[in-house]
Amino acid sequence: SQKIEQNSEALNIQEGKTATLTCNYTNYSPAYLQWYRQDPGRGPVFLLLIRENEKEKRKERLKVTFDTTLKQSLFHITASQPADSATYLCALDQSGGGATNKLIFGTGTLLAVQP
Amino acid sequence: DVKVTQSSRYLVKRTGEKVFLECVQDMDHENMFWYRQDPGLGLRLIYFSYDVKMKEKGDIPEGYSVSREKKERFSLILESASTNQTSMYLCASSPGTGENSPLHFGNGTRLTVT
Repeated sequence: SQKIEQNSEALNIQEGKTATLTCNYTNYSPAYLQWYRQDPGRGPVFLLLIRENEKEKRKERLKVTFDTTLKQSLFHITASQPADSATYLCALDQSGGGATNKLIFGTGTLLAVQP
Repeated sequence: DVKVTQSSRYLVKRTGEKVFLECVQDMDHENMFWYRQDPGLGLRLIYFSYDVKMKEKGDIPEGYSVSREKKERFSLILESASTNQTSMYLCASSPGTGENSPLHFGNGTRLTVT
């Protein structure tokens, strides 16, 4: 069955630097992959989606890449700020084709941006 | 903005009690989901619903049931609460399926079963 692996260790970086978070999946390549942000005591909030035929997607300071050969997505935050500190989750549809919205989530990576 | 409201932020119940967790969404979304979130395990899908009065089991449905009598409301029921059901419960909704329908989550109910 499909599994998602995210680095469980917290990522500590200095303000202004680029944060890079990794999401690896183990089985079939999904039609698309999603990234969510979760703050303590809150539900996840959708950030970005990247399709399998897209190499890269950008939204303001966020950039996501998708490499189906490596079975990996990278999530970058450029010019990071302390307000970016949160847990970031990647998710994909269990069906592979993206038709169900039954999402599998990674355990998330905690990002801490130091001022 | 879509709002998904979970009725309780914190809940403490005793073993064996019947527990109801309520979720309401205000955007006429078709689909609703219940997840639980545990450290090291991430979010796991319990039940979901694509329509009123319709429900389907997710990955970990044992010990739970759901009810969707109205489109906007999706309830999670713990028939006889046990300590291993202590967790953060997250409700979500989406307008449809596919890439144009990301999930919108509520802020969760932290349930403790003693």
